[in-house]
Amino acid sequence: IAGITQAPTSQILAAGRRMTLRCTQDMRHNAMYWYRQDLGLGLRLIHYSNTAGTTGKGEVPDGYSVSRANTDDFPLTLASAVPSQTSVYFCASSEGSGGSGRGDTQYFGPGTRLTVL
Amino acid sequence: GQNIDQPTEMTATEGAIVQINCTYQTSGFNGLFWYQQHAGEAPTFLSYNVLDGLEEKGRFSSFLSRSKGYSYLLLKELQMKDSASYLCAVLDSNYQLIWGAGTKLIIKP
Repeated sequence: IAGITQAPTSQILAAGRRMTLRCTQDMRHNAMYWYRQDLGLGLRLIHYSNTAGTTGKGEVPDGYSVSRANTDDFPLTLASAVPSQTSVYFCASSEGSGGSGRGDTQYFGPGTRLTVL
Repeated sequence: GQNIDQPTEMTATEGAIVQINCTYQTSGFNGLFWYQQHAGEAPTFLSYNVLDGLEEKGRFSSFLSRSKGYSYLLLKELQMKDSASYLCAVLDSNYQLIWGAGTKLIIKP
């Protein structure tokens, strides 16, 4: 395959449960990102990683954590899910992480639809 | 604060031309991207502008004016499959993408 895969496709989760959303890319991109998309709002950045071994906080990081142990994988963990985390989650990657011009173009996975009850 | 404005919804006729506008106020500018997103799917990359002017790619063109903080996406010879949301995003001074809420384009026969 070429691109980004995410798992699961969708999930219904009880509040208070722990959940990890998986993201894998095979394009050898340096940078990876997690966004949430809610109706009427733009994509909002949760966390990012400019290269393996480093991570950073985005606009809405509270309640989420990430790790980047290698180039390909970038899991997102909800330690204790709350209903406000009901959303569609997109993972993305880019070859560059700033200053690369067109190389900063982000490519998206298919998304995970998460419902927290 | 940082802000990107796009119309919420537009309607156009199959075969016609439509222009989707985007205005931005951001801390710095390192490029502007347009993405297409069909309902229930992921955003897909359409175009990238960093210099003023028009970039043409088939039926789609994108224009940028940095001095006015303005861009537009021009879609020609509209097809039913062009019904989608179109997202404008700006790379700010920290090289983070700031996203608009998107413009839902409805194509009528």
